[in-house]
Amino acid sequence: AQKITQTQPGMFVQEKEAVTLDCTYDTSDPSYGLFWYKQPSSGEMIFLIYQGSYDQQNATEGRYSLNFQKARKSANLVISASQLGDSAMYFCAMREDSGGSNYKLTFGKGTLLTVNP
Amino acid sequence: DAGVIQSPRHEVTEMGQEVTLRCKPISGHDYLFWYRQTMMRGLELLIYFNNNVPIDDSGMPEDRFSAKMPNASFSTLKIQPSEPRDSAVYFCASSLWAGEGGYTFGSGTRLTVV
Repeated sequence: AQKITQTQPGMFVQEKEAVTLDCTYDTSDPSYGLFWYKQPSSGEMIFLIYQGSYDQQNATEGRYSLNFQKARKSANLVISASQLGDSAMYFCAMREDSGGSNYKLTFGKGTLLTVNP
Repeated sequence: DAGVIQSPRHEVTEMGQEVTLRCKPISGHDYLFWYRQTMMRGLELLIYFNNNVPIDDSGMPEDRFSAKMPNASFSTLKIQPSEPRDSAVYFCASSLWAGEGGYTFGSGTRLTVV
């Protein structure tokens, strides 16, 4: 079973508008972390934002916020005021903190975001 | 801080040849990860180390792949013999034990096996 599901292969948004990228996850571990990464066309993986399973508030980092709905097992990324430079592939990832293999990240398939001028 | 440094950036090799990818993690990071990215399979974890000790190598595709971390500042991923299906981008990443700040990835090595 997929642990991380990103159902949107591609998304389009107008410059300066907000966009939400979906991510659902599957785990029975009570302690876990959720991450979002950006991969521009140049190929590097850029860490954007982190949410811990016990965090009471949604994480925010500048124009990025994570809409964490624990009961629904969703961790959507919201980008406000989109910029042309936001055009990239975005990956959601999860780390399960219990069990024998802590600290490894499992990634979703990604969403390709295109920001239109 | 120079970040995670991978070499080479690009590697083209012939099928059957040995390939060695190199990684220098961020100083002080306890964990080192090797990932492979392909269009078909996405990002897959191959192996990861904690304090230079391999913890989980269940993602290593087969015996042709091996990874070592002889010290805290250096790791290698070796493929011998290489095959065309090994063509991919190989990323190295490192993190502190807690990992809340995200795992820092290197720029990747694009491997092409012809």
